[in-house]
Amino acid sequence: GENVEQHPSTLSVQEGDSAVIKCTYSDSASNYFPWYKQELGKRPQLIIDIRSNVGEKKDQRIAVTLNKTAKHFSLHITETQPEDSAVYFCAATNYGQNFVFGPGTRLSVLP
Amino acid sequence: GAVVSQHPSWVICKSGTSVKIECRSLDFQATTMFWYRQFPKQSLMLMATSNEGSKATYEQGVEKDKFLINHASLTLSTLTVTSAHPEDSSFYICSAMSRNEQFFGPGTRLTVL
Repeated sequence: GENVEQHPSTLSVQEGDSAVIKCTYSDSASNYFPWYKQELGKRPQLIIDIRSNVGEKKDQRIAVTLNKTAKHFSLHITETQPEDSAVYFCAATNYGQNFVFGPGTRLSVLP
Repeated sequence: GAVVSQHPSWVICKSGTSVKIECRSLDFQATTMFWYRQFPKQSLMLMATSNEGSKATYEQGVEKDKFLINHASLTLSTLTVTSAHPEDSSFYICSAMSRNEQFFGPGTRLTVL
């Protein structure tokens, strides 16, 4: 089955710097990769996703890149702000199969 | 790390019947659990937040009488799909909170014939 690893487990950056979180997956059949953000005390929310026919997707300060050959995908946050502090989860799925999450990355943006 | 289990992992049922899915935190107590559903070719969407000892909080558009959630103990939350129909066929996944960390269950695939 699918296995998703996520690194780093914790990440601290200065406000204004960029943050990068990387996930690797094992099942080459996986074709959809969403990212979730969970702020302290709040419910998880989908922030961006990417499908396997696309190499990169951007939404304002957030971007996701996918390398199918290497089976890894990354979340990039530029110009980080204190409100970006949260736990971020990546996931991988092949439609019709299990939806596997990474263990999460706790991002802290220091003012 | 903390382990969350779901049972069953796969269930097939006839239209009109009800199906119960269990979500258990195996080695920790979880006052809050979340239930998600995956729509075809879409990401998981949050259905409801389950709080131990109180009523679940449902997301907009989720019918609380259709999807009954019970969080009777600190280690168990159940989702019951009542009068299931083929359009309820989906992948359901739960997660449990422990010390502000979230741990996901393996998911349950429901197929309604």
